[in-house]
Amino acid sequence: DAGVIQSPRHEVTEMGQEVTLRCKPISGHNSLFWYRQTMMRGLELLIYFNNNVPIDDSGMPEDRFSAKMPNASFSTLKIQPSEPRDSAVYFCASSLGERGGYYTGELFFGEGSRLTVL
Amino acid sequence: KNQVEQSPQSLIILEGKNCTLQCNYTVSPFSNLRWYKQDTGRGPVSLTIMTFSENTKSNGRYTATLDADTKQSSLHITASQLSDSASYICVVSADFGNEKLTFGTGTRLTIIP
Repeated sequence: DAGVIQSPRHEVTEMGQEVTLRCKPISGHNSLFWYRQTMMRGLELLIYFNNNVPIDDSGMPEDRFSAKMPNASFSTLKIQPSEPRDSAVYFCASSLGERGGYYTGELFFGEGSRLTVL
Repeated sequence: KNQVEQSPQSLIILEGKNCTLQCNYTVSPFSNLRWYKQDTGRGPVSLTIMTFSENTKSNGRYTATLDADTKQSSLHITASQLSDSASYICVVSADFGNEKLTFGTGTRLTIIP
């Protein structure tokens, strides 16, 4: 199994530009998570989906962030417009959740997308 | 407020030595506790998951312990190797009918030859 695949691995952009991060979860997994990691705050959950439906988006910082999961094998996290404080590593993770996604199950993380906003 | 505190923040030990990392939490109601290893520039990888009824779990040279009464966990690494250099993240799960994970900020472990 290829694991969770994220792209791009690195993204450098200027403030105000749109950024789109992509994720392909492990085949057969029904839950997908987007996390943000910074030195100061560690890993923070942004949003998670179960069976392609957003279950909890309370961690999404503000309206500039949006996430979609159009099908079971693809998800995007979009930031528009980007700001320097968005600079972080963004991780996608997937799992075989239970109880309609309310139990997370074992998380499998991708390698992350390192975003730098100048 | 649910919190997970890890100590020490960083640790340097000689190759071959043992070490123990600590995790204290205030998460409630407790569901499970997880330890992850994160190599530099990589995503976290699961080491162990322990439920309330488990007080120890091993994965090779890694042994995690859990004391649900004192809300403490430790990760013991035996006969450390250079490849053990990484950040180790403690994650505690609360069950409110749906599961909520609270992440610690990690312990940065460096093994020197």
